[in-house]
Order: sequence, then C-alpha cells, then structure tokens
Amino acid sequence: QSVLTQPPSVSAAPGQKVTISCSGSSSNIGNNYVSWYQQLPGTAPKLLIYDNDKRPSGIPDRFSGSKSGTSATLGITGLQTGDEADYYCGTWDSSLSAVVFGGGTKLTVL
Amino acid sequence: EVQLVESGGGLVQPGRSLRLSCAASGFTFDDYAMHWVRQAPGKGLEWVSGISWNSGTIGYADSVKGRFTISRDNAKNSLYLQMNSLRAEDTALYYCAKAYYDFWSGSDYWGQGTLVTVSS
Repeated sequence: QSVLTQPPSVSAAPGQKVTISCSGSSSNIGNNYVSWYQQLPGTAPKLLIYDNDKRPSGIPDRFSGSKSGTSATLGITGLQTGDEADYYCGTWDSSLSAVVFGGGTKLTVL
Repeated sequence: EVQLVESGGGLVQPGRSLRLSCAASGFTFDDYAMHWVRQAPGKGLEWVSGISWNSGTIGYADSVKGRFTISRDNAKNSLYLQMNSLRAEDTALYYCAKAYYDFWSGSDYWGQGTLVTVSS
C-alpha cells in the first residue's frame, strides 16, 4: 500500500490528452514539492517534473504538472505511442522523514 | 555526461549481507545528495535511503532501518549501501539516483540498477 495514491492505469488515443492524479496528505504533497517520473519498459525512471510544475531541460512542454492541496496531477498532451510507460509521483513525507512514491500508473496509448 | 553505475548485486541467502556500490561521474559528486531506490520485480518504486552531500543528513525507509547503512566517499565519487540481515522481500533492482538539488527535490539522474536476489 503506497502512501501516495495513483490510478493503476489510464488510456487515451494518439494525439489526445491524458491526466494522471496523485493523492496524498498534508504531511507529504500538502507541504512538499512533487516530482513525476516516466519509466519506459526495461529502463530506469526519468525525471519529467520537479517542484510540482517545473520541467528539466530536454523535457518537452507536452508534459505538465500541477498541485492543489494534497493532490498533484501530471498532464500529457499530444499523446504518442512512445509515451506508453509507467508514471510515478514522488515527494518528501515530513511525518515519515522519508521519500514516498505513488504506486505507479500504466499509460496505454490506444 | 552524467553516469551512475551500480555494482555489487547478486544472489544471496536470507540473513546474509551484501554491499552495493555506485560509481558517479560527469558532475561534481560532493555537491549533491544521493539516494538508493529499489524496485521489486513487477512492482513500483520504493525509496530505500538517502544521504546529503556531506553525510550530515541520512535517512532510511522503515523497511530497512537498522539493517541497511548508506555511506559515501566523495574522494572516490562513490555511494554505497551496506545491506545486512537480508530478507526475501529485499529482492529488487536497486537504483542509485542523484538528487536534483537539496536532500530531495526529485532525482534527475538514475543508474541502470543492480539486481539483488535474496533466496535460499
């Protein structure tokens, strides 16, 4: 059971938009920055978003992040088949004094 | 080019020990916190431990506290994870990851992982 809650799977057609939610509490998302990761099959995670809504250099603006209260959302527009991957949210939990991740969301581009 | 190369994984019996290493290059190692994150087969990411640039701040997941010890040698650009009293549930791919900034702000570089299998 993960501290952060993500939907197990989402799907959408190529070219469409999808959002992935990440729900937590005041001890984690509510008072700390959220980051998002993409993990393509058989590869290491890749940082997509940090500090809730910032993109590292090289990450296309098709990827966006937002946070409201104790929830965060990753948005992906202009879906491509190459976006099929597992997506994870992560943040610091001040009560646990630990980094916590969501359980991951598998994105299928139909 | 930033590179993180893990080593030291393998098959080990329950109750035994293993030491993982992570060799870093391509960035100023002693400027950044470092972390170990693991992924059990077919499962999600689980943070294991983290260490600040000067080893002044260290944290562990409850699942490994008292059994695992993280350390770093800035002179050797290396990160370590000493794993004692290993259990079957420690079986996972162990990633070394660089903090983007501060102790944890996300990790912008990850190694390819080293596989630890705990089994008799």
